[in-house]
Parts: sequence; structure tokens; C-alpha cells
Amino acid sequence: AQSVAQPEDQVNVAEGNPLTVKCTYSVSGNPYLFWYVQYPNRGLQFLLKYITGDNLVKGSYGFEAEFNKSQTSFHLKKPSALVSDSALYFCAVKGGQNFVFGPGTRLSVLP
Amino acid sequence: DADVTQTPRNRITKTGKRIMLECSQTKGHDRMYWYRQDPGLGLRLIYYSFDVKDINKGEISDGYSVSRQAQAKFSLSLESAIPNQTALYFCATSDLPSDVRTDTQYFGPGTRLTVL
Repeated sequence: AQSVAQPEDQVNVAEGNPLTVKCTYSVSGNPYLFWYVQYPNRGLQFLLKYITGDNLVKGSYGFEAEFNKSQTSFHLKKPSALVSDSALYFCAVKGGQNFVFGPGTRLSVLP
Repeated sequence: DADVTQTPRNRITKTGKRIMLECSQTKGHDRMYWYRQDPGLGLRLIYYSFDVKDINKGEISDGYSVSRQAQAKFSLSLESAIPNQTALYFCATSDLPSDVRTDTQYFGPGTRLTVL
């Protein structure tokens, strides 16, 4: 069975600094990995996904994620954080027909 | 206009009441899903439907039922609501791409349900 862990409940970063939101996964077979973002009072929005190919995946709003097979990680990154990036971030893995979501990490970008 | 809509957005009800949450989509997708979100637990799949005639239980289907009235509509019912069903409920849709591995989901805004 597949699973996703997000080891940090909360990440705080100053505006303009780089940010990292961590995700590790467990899946049998090839991993299909996703990041979603949830803004207040909104549904989840797709950010990016890794299917195969380059280990660095670029997505929406300047976000990117680095796939590391040996560490079974898929960390979300952004070179320069914005206050508007403050939200809840979910990592997900596609196994079989359905998605399994991590518990979420709340990102706060401080001005 | 939103592609995936949910009604109601907020609902407070009492233990034992029957509740229906509705989801509509204009994306033309065949696949629809119901999730619940609880703090610290992420999203958990309740039911999913790959077309009008196909309904499947997810991870936590006990206490819930669904109806797929049309390609665009997927309703979630709580036959007899209980307090531990208090949560944020999301509907999602996805298309069937040529490669199922590249599936991406599109979420509605959520329904906040409180069972007293």
C-alpha cells in the first residue's frame, strides 16, 4: 500500500527567502507524485506532478519539486517566497486508481 | 464560473439527521470523488465514481452513501449523521487521460459540515 508523510506540520519562512516543504513517500512500483495547494476557504489546486524523466519538476507560481528516488522524497521548493504563498500544501501519490494524500504542511511566509 | 461547485458551503445539523451534500461539475469529466479533510489527517477518500454506472467505496465509506445522478452530478449522503462526521468535505473530478498515471484532480471549494 502507498503512503505519504509530510514531517512538518508548519513551516515558517521570511519573504524573499527560499522555502522547502518536505514530503516522503512509500509506494510499490513507479511513483507518481503530486503537490497540491489549498488557500483559505478554497479547494485544493494542482501545483505540479512527477511522472517520469527529469528529477526537477517545475510547476505553477514559481514552485518546483525535486524527486529523489534513493531517499524516496519529493520536496517542494521555491527560490524566493512570497507572502501570498502562505497556504496549506499537500503531497500526494498516485497508486493504482486513486490518490493518497499526506496530512498537509501549513506554510507561513512572514513579511 | 467555477468548474466544480458544491452545495451547501456550510451546514450545521444534529445527530441522527440525514444530510445530502451535492457536487456539480462543468468540466465534462467522467471521474468524480468525495473526500473528507480532518486536521492532521489530510484528505481521505470516501467514494469514487468512474462513470454514471460505476460507484466504488474508498478508504472510509462506512456511514456514507453516494448517488451519481448524471455525468455532472455526484451527491454524498450521511444517512444518520454523527458528531465524528464533522469535517470539511471535498468533491473532485478528473478526466481519463491516455495514460492513467498522469491523472490530475480538480477540487470544489468544500463543504464544512458540523454535526452536533
